[in-house]
Amino acid sequence: GESVGLHLPTLSVQEGDNSIINCAYSNSASDYFIWYKQESGKGPQFIIDIRSNMDKRQGQRVTVLLNKTVKHLSLQIAATQPGDSAVYFCAEKNSGGGADGLTFGKGTHLIIQP
Amino acid sequence: EAGVAQSPRYKIIEKRQSVAFWCNPISGHATLYWYQQILGQGPKLLIQFQNNGVVDDSQLPKDRFSAERLKGVDSTLKIQPAKLEDSAVYLCASSPRARVSGTQYFGPGTRLLVL
Repeated sequence: GESVGLHLPTLSVQEGDNSIINCAYSNSASDYFIWYKQESGKGPQFIIDIRSNMDKRQGQRVTVLLNKTVKHLSLQIAATQPGDSAVYFCAEKNSGGGADGLTFGKGTHLIIQP
Repeated sequence: EAGVAQSPRYKIIEKRQSVAFWCNPISGHATLYWYQQILGQGPKLLIQFQNNGVVDDSQLPKDRFSAERLKGVDSTLKIQPAKLEDSAVYLCASSPRARVSGTQYFGPGTRLLVL
């Protein structure tokens, strides 16, 4: 089946720098794309989502960009803090037919260096 | 607002034994999901409920896995008999059906180890 993947398994950044986590997706029919953060021993935590008819959405310190031409999704985290250390997953959802379970990628482990 | 509750948090069993997991979604959330997360991978959907009805169980290994949500609130996921490859974290998530965004709220998960 189709799946969502991430480009890098690990990303290391300096505290205070901006982080960019990338994701490639394959299902053109997906209507929502979502970023989740997962800390060790915890369930995924919703960060931000974007509808397929948008190309940019901003939240608090985070921005998600969607490029449907190349099927690419990115998460930008401004002024990275130690608490941002976690595994980040992109996920896609296709709500057609009522079933809207998420399809997740493998995740990028974000490491914050002091 | 209380989050999604799951129990137990950890479970160790031997292969061929049975195990059950419990989930209590966020109050008022009509949709409930069970995901399996194998170490180093993203969660994989097992089953989706809308109230007490199954919406999607296409990825549920029905020869050994079963799930129910009898009263449209709590849900249980059972594995019988367990195999070594069932070792994973089992995540429950819920969402309010009235919204059309992708937001699903996850519980802390149950970490299963099959020996």
